[in-house]
Amino acid sequence: GESVGLHLPTLSVQEGDNSIINCAYSNSASDYFIWYKQESGKGPQFIIDIRSNMDKRQGQRVTVLLNKTVKHLSLQIAATQPGDSAVYFCAERTEAGGYQKVTFGIGTKLQVIP
Amino acid sequence: DAGVTQSPTHLIKTRGQHVTLRCSPISGHKSVSWYQQVLGQGPQFIFQYYEKEERGRGNFPDRFSARQFPNYSSELNVNALLLGDSALYLCASSLDRVGEKLFFGSGTQLSVL
Repeated sequence: GESVGLHLPTLSVQEGDNSIINCAYSNSASDYFIWYKQESGKGPQFIIDIRSNMDKRQGQRVTVLLNKTVKHLSLQIAATQPGDSAVYFCAERTEAGGYQKVTFGIGTKLQVIP
Repeated sequence: DAGVTQSPTHLIKTRGQHVTLRCSPISGHKSVSWYQQVLGQGPQFIFQYYEKEERGRGNFPDRFSARQFPNYSSELNVNALLLGDSALYLCASSLDRVGEKLFFGSGTQLSVL
């Protein structure tokens, strides 16, 4: 089964508010986590990543938090804009036998209300 | 700089047929991965190739196969198509086999009738 999952399938936020998308993972051996954004008709687009030896990483308007104790990952988007409307996937990387495998969660749809 | 390109963009096949999907990675990227995305779900890992060698395989039947060419482009082949194979097939490239920061193409939408 899936080792990465999301708490909320759909999230609606007002334009200008902050968004928080949550993700739970179960594989404690995962060493790298990624958030992807997927717009309709397009492939996933890399947003931000974090390694397992970190607990926070910031990008432009986005922050990823990693809590290894409870195996929880979150993506925070500041001042959400209409262009942020998309499906967001968290993903984890595990490495075994000399190769990497990226496992995606089911996704959260973010709807930004103008 | 061109991104990851996939062809065709859409494809309709009937049960029992086979299909070949193609992918060209970003210039300089040596690793190509294939994913299947069913509507409403996250992408599922099928294969990873690095330097023309298979480096990873997901939980897909032997009807699925792939290869990587000397120019690092890749093909995904699916034989004996089933209705359940209908999905968006995504190709992603990355610089090395560790697969950080995957760059995805827009995918091939396969419909099996």
